[in-house]
Amino acid sequence: ETGVTQTPRHLVMGMTNKKSLKCEQHLGHNAMYWYKQSAKKPLELMFVYSLEERVENNSVPSRFSPECPNSSHLFLHLHTLQPEDSALYLCASSQDPLGGTTEAFFGQGTRLTVV
Amino acid sequence: DAKTTQPNSMESNEEEPVHLPCNHSTISGTDYIHWYRQLPSQGPEYVIHGLTSNVNNRMASLAIAEDRKSSTLILHRATLRDAAVYYCILLRNFNKFYFGSGTKLNVKP
Repeated sequence: ETGVTQTPRHLVMGMTNKKSLKCEQHLGHNAMYWYKQSAKKPLELMFVYSLEERVENNSVPSRFSPECPNSSHLFLHLHTLQPEDSALYLCASSQDPLGGTTEAFFGQGTRLTVV
Repeated sequence: DAKTTQPNSMESNEEEPVHLPCNHSTISGTDYIHWYRQLPSQGPEYVIHGLTSNVNNRMASLAIAEDRKSSTLILHRATLRDAAVYYCILLRNFNKFYFGSGTKLNVKP
């Protein structure tokens, strides 16, 4: 248990569906992240939120839409996905400091399958 | 992206030390060097980090080259539970973790 909880753990969705992934942390962190992990590929940083504002968007397709309503919650809204979007989606959080360094805590991920 | 290069896989015997290398020749002066590991079916977990000096914690040691262009994660006595993919990461701007391909460590009994 890392303190970062992701739901659901598994999700199967059709290409025309709309679904959302949820991430929750109660570690008091102020930065949250979405990563995508596809088979045989490195983790890809998708989105970074710091102090509830998006600070990074690594050219992610618009069919992925993040939302960070407060510092404890992060969502990834999904619509009209493609089969190649099937992957493990990982959420992480950290304390974004004014200086120094920090470690990130990861959830166990949501295994997404697009059919 | 801040790029790191690691061997795809390594093998170790149980109870023996393991040295996992990482090259990061494009490191900048403010980049921290982090190591994470990912066990099967789990998210990555923090192992250790450093900036310039060697670091020790209860899990591992981190040896950083004087020019900072490479580093080595040292597991002093590998156990079967240490079998995982180990990632060397440069932390840039304090909140951007970019992962490379990692090294898959296999520990033999």
